[in-house]
Amino acid sequence: AQKVTQAQTEISVVEKEDVTLDCVYETRDTTYYLFWYKQPPSGELVFLIRRNSFDEQNEISGRYSWNFQKSTSSFNFTITASQVVDSAVYFCALSLGDTGFQKLVFGTGTRLLVSP
Amino acid sequence: DAGVTQSPTHLIKTRGQQVTLRCSPISGHKSVSWYQQVLGQGPQFIFQYYEKEERGRGNFPDRFSARQFPNYSSELNVNALLLGDSALYLCASSRGLAGGDTQYFGPGTRLTVL
Repeated sequence: AQKVTQAQTEISVVEKEDVTLDCVYETRDTTYYLFWYKQPPSGELVFLIRRNSFDEQNEISGRYSWNFQKSTSSFNFTITASQVVDSAVYFCALSLGDTGFQKLVFGTGTRLLVSP
Repeated sequence: DAGVTQSPTHLIKTRGQQVTLRCSPISGHKSVSWYQQVLGQGPQFIFQYYEKEERGRGNFPDRFSARQFPNYSSELNVNALLLGDSALYLCASSRGLAGGDTQYFGPGTRLTVL
């Protein structure tokens, strides 16, 4: 079975601080995909990034960066110089390769509060 | 381009009633998935439809059903509502069924069962 664990329930930081959101996943499949989504108070899940199991390159997009390590089954997300607009719930999700359909398995989310 | 749209935004129902939620995917996307998100939890997979056929189903009772129309829009139906069905119902669209396809989510329908 597949599982995603986000151990941090809530993180509070002050604006301009760096913050890392942890994600640990479990799967026995060798082909899988990892995602991060942001859920602001409005409720809509906003796609941030997708990574496949064969690509361990870290990625940077502006203030966002992602660290994928298969050795520790982790896909962590770092926000540099956080801003109030980053306040939201962040979800990590996992889907498998070719199973005939795509099911995203989500973690329980990490609520990030950025105060001015 | 328009994103995923869902209607209605909010619904209040009483136990035992039936409800229908609607979703329109992004233009060009042929797959629609439904998720249930209970307060404080991550979304849970309910269904995925592709080309009008159910391709995957999560661990939900038969009270939950869905369908997809020729224009790829979709409806989720829930019969005999229970208090525990109160949740945010999210619709997501994607181009296909591959594990690496990106699912784009709509704003959700918040269902309250009294």
